[in-house]
Amino acid sequence: AAGVIQSPRHLIKEKRETATLKCYPIPRHDTVYWYQQGPGQDPQFLISFYEKMQSDKGSIPDRFSAQQFSDYHSELNMSSLELGDSALYFCASSPEEGQGETQYFGPGTRLLVL
Amino acid sequence: AQKVTQAQTEISVVEKEDVTLDCVYETRDTTYYLFWYKQPPSGELVFLIRRNSFDEQNEISGRYSWNFQKSTSSFNFTITASQVVDSAVYFCALSGGRDDKIIFGKGTRLHILP
Repeated sequence: AAGVIQSPRHLIKEKRETATLKCYPIPRHDTVYWYQQGPGQDPQFLISFYEKMQSDKGSIPDRFSAQQFSDYHSELNMSSLELGDSALYFCASSPEEGQGETQYFGPGTRLLVL
Repeated sequence: AQKVTQAQTEISVVEKEDVTLDCVYETRDTTYYLFWYKQPPSGELVFLIRRNSFDEQNEISGRYSWNFQKSTSSFNFTITASQVVDSAVYFCALSGGRDDKIIFGKGTRLHILP
């Protein structure tokens, strides 16, 4: 079965640079979530989109922005990168917006900021 | 506020032993959803189970079983006849209320020794 696709899988950036992470949800899934997992930490919710509209927002820094496109893929844009942004970034998708829907996670993008 | 507590930070057992991972949650919502995810060393998050607050029926899937008890706000996960491939970090998680984001526990790192 098709899964969530994330690209790139690994990314190395310098401080103050920008990064763009991409997420392609499972076909027919219209809700996308972004999570950040620091080393040895649990995943933390950043932001979600349903039908191309932002539906919920968590502890996402102002330096980060995201959007969902007409084909339902999503991009997380990160600017002025800091060392603390080094983490595993997950995208997840679910078949519809709503409480308690199972979120299926992609393999993650591992970002290293030097 | 919602909270998930996994008191066991790390567990080591010998292969073929049974092991139970504990999960206690807090929520004021009457409708909520509980999840377990597995994160193997490769880093991806693998969905294992979803349970809603109205369904206290225990579930068994192969060597995995889950015990949901609302009276004690617990959703424990048991692996029977553990195998080395079960070695991973296991996250218990919760969603509910008006949000569909998932709140994760800190995770339990499980080592299955050959």
